[in-house]
Amino acid sequence: AQSVTQLGSHVSVSEGALVLLRCNYSSSVPPYLFWYVQYPNQGLQLLLKYTTGATLVKGINGFEAEFKKSETSFHLTKPSAHMSDAAEYFCAVSDLYKLVFGAGTILRVKS
Amino acid sequence: GAGVSQSPRYKVAKRGQDVALRCDPISGHVSLFWYQQALGQGPEFLTYFQNEAQLDKSGLPSDRFFAERPEGSVSTLKIQRTQQEDSAVYLCASSSFGTVYEQYFGPGTRLTVT
Repeated sequence: AQSVTQLGSHVSVSEGALVLLRCNYSSSVPPYLFWYVQYPNQGLQLLLKYTTGATLVKGINGFEAEFKKSETSFHLTKPSAHMSDAAEYFCAVSDLYKLVFGAGTILRVKS
Repeated sequence: GAGVSQSPRYKVAKRGQDVALRCDPISGHVSLFWYQQALGQGPEFLTYFQNEAQLDKSGLPSDRFFAERPEGSVSTLKIQRTQQEDSAVYLCASSSFGTVYEQYFGPGTRLTVT
């Protein structure tokens, strides 16, 4: 069965610093991978996705992620954090038609 | 265009009451999903519809949970005889044919069972 592990339930960065949120997956088939962001009392918004092709994918709000098959990883990065990036981030892997989510990482941005 | 909408946004139920949660998917989206998100956790799959057919209900936690989508559009998740462990955010998502994995989520319904 597919699974996702997000390392670090809380990450704190200073405004302007690099954001790195870690995600490792387990999948018995070539995976489709996703990052979602959730702001308080809101639903999930798709940041970016990897299906096939280029392993470096760019998403909204300056985020990007790199699919590394050898490391079974799909880490999310952003070169410079903004206060508005403070939210909870979920990594997910497809399991046929459904998504399997990690436990989430809360990103705090300090001024 | 309009996204996925859910109602009510918040629901407080006394233990033992029945509740019904509504989801309006994006117009034209064939696939519809329900997920349950417990406090501090990621969403977990409950059930999947393609049009009006419920193709997978393997994630429903008990026979107290029931979902329907009779006309292939609006869906209702019903929970009978609610228990405290049912307290969670219930998320609905929809996707178009051919990109079933690209799911668009609604804001969720926060259910609190007292």
